Amino acid sequence: TQLLEQSPQFLSIQEGENLTVYCNSSSVFSSLQWYRQEPGEGPVLLVTVVTGGEVKKLKRLTFQFGDARKDSSLHITAAQTGDTGLYLCAGSRTGNQFYFGTGTSLTVIP
Amino acid sequence: KAGVTQTPRYLIKTRGQQVTLSCSPISGHRSVSWYQQTPGQGLQFLFEYFSETQRNKGNFPGRFSGRQFSNSRSEMNVSTLELGDSALYLCASSLEPGQGGITEAFFGQGTRLTVV
Repeated sequence: TQLLEQSPQFLSIQEGENLTVYCNSSSVFSSLQWYRQEPGEGPVLLVTVVTGGEVKKLKRLTFQFGDARKDSSLHITAAQTGDTGLYLCAGSRTGNQFYFGTGTSLTVIP
Repeated sequence: KAGVTQTPRYLIKTRGQQVTLSCSPISGHRSVSWYQQTPGQGLQFLFEYFSETQRNKGNFPGRFSGRQFSNSRSEMNVSTLELGDSALYLCASSLEPGQGGITEAFFGQGTRLTVV
């Protein structure tokens, strides 16, 4: 059983559209990270959220941590082809054990 | 500051052989974790090492083992390779929460292992 479930699993959109990816769990996390991964490469850390209800913006990307620290969302405004990749959320509870989500594969079509 | 370095990047092995992968963490990071990534299973946690001790372990058979050296560099070993071991093996390093407050994992580029 996966501790973190992401939805949707696959997403294919036109350039310029907006999208939201969700990361849900029944467990509470002390922090939550979002990563983007290109094929054949390691995941690259995009952001870390720590406080319940926290919202962080990274250019066209907006990340939100749920009030109860069990879920998170990633919203991309005006998607570009360079946003294509696998988006992963990961939660940390204690120590350095990270629980990864199932992943969302995003394809932005020009 | 140099990132996490994994070697080699690509590896082809035959069933039954064994393989050793290497990971050099970010300077100052003492925690190193290993993950296996496959299209069907996603990112699966293998184990985590801190100060040369295995601190956490995932649900993998005993053929998968690892170690960490005093300079925090880590190796993982897979013995008696099976076709199903073909995957991208990722190493991540992180600070202890007490060192930097927030725990974040920084990944290497991975080692693509193909078992034929």
